[in-house]
Amino acid sequence: DVKVTQSSRYLVKRTGEKVFLECVQDMDHENMFWYRQDPGLGLRLIYFSYDVKMKEKGDIPEGYSVSREKKERFSLILESASTNQTSMYLCASSPSGGVTDTQYFGPGTRLTVL
Amino acid sequence: AQSVAQPEDQVNVAEGNPLTVKCTYSVSGNPYLFWYVQYPNRGLQFLLKYITGDNLVKGSYGFEAEFNKSQTSFHLKKPSALVSDSALYFCAVSPLGNTGKLIFGQGTTLQVKP
Repeated sequence: DVKVTQSSRYLVKRTGEKVFLECVQDMDHENMFWYRQDPGLGLRLIYFSYDVKMKEKGDIPEGYSVSREKKERFSLILESASTNQTSMYLCASSPSGGVTDTQYFGPGTRLTVL
Repeated sequence: AQSVAQPEDQVNVAEGNPLTVKCTYSVSGNPYLFWYVQYPNRGLQFLLKYITGDNLVKGSYGFEAEFNKSQTSFHLKKPSALVSDSALYFCAVSPLGNTGKLIFGQGTTLQVKP
């Protein structure tokens, strides 16, 4: 089974802090994704990566950056956390760039910024 | 613009009754459609997908979905609902020509009452 793990289930940070969210997948998948989930808005794509050191902006990249130094690990960085970044963050991976690929999700990190 | 709509925020059904969770889409070309389920405080789990072929797709946990090209719909169905089916359901579409990204609907909460 594909396993996608995220470093924290719950996280509380203060405004202005730099925040790192880590995601690891164990299936040698090429693609990895970061989403945020907010009630009534579904999932919105922040960034995705289709190869090591490669990244592309999603629909809402402002205030975020990412890092993919190794194939299995994809990090989301909040450079200076703000209260409007309080949300559920979901990481996903998929085998390749195929349009029919299934994405596999981690359990999520619920981030609260005070 | 390519999009997915789930017209109902919440669907309520009695245990043992059939259930339908609605999804409509707007994409260019052939659509690749997905359903995911999210149980409380968990990540998303893949249920099923439509790529091509038979319009009725069978998936996990007894769910199925019917693709209707003329109505641009991909409704999720189950003949007999269980209380344990209560969860948040997301429809998603993989747009033509993308690198495996998904566009998600806003989600529908399914409440199955005993």
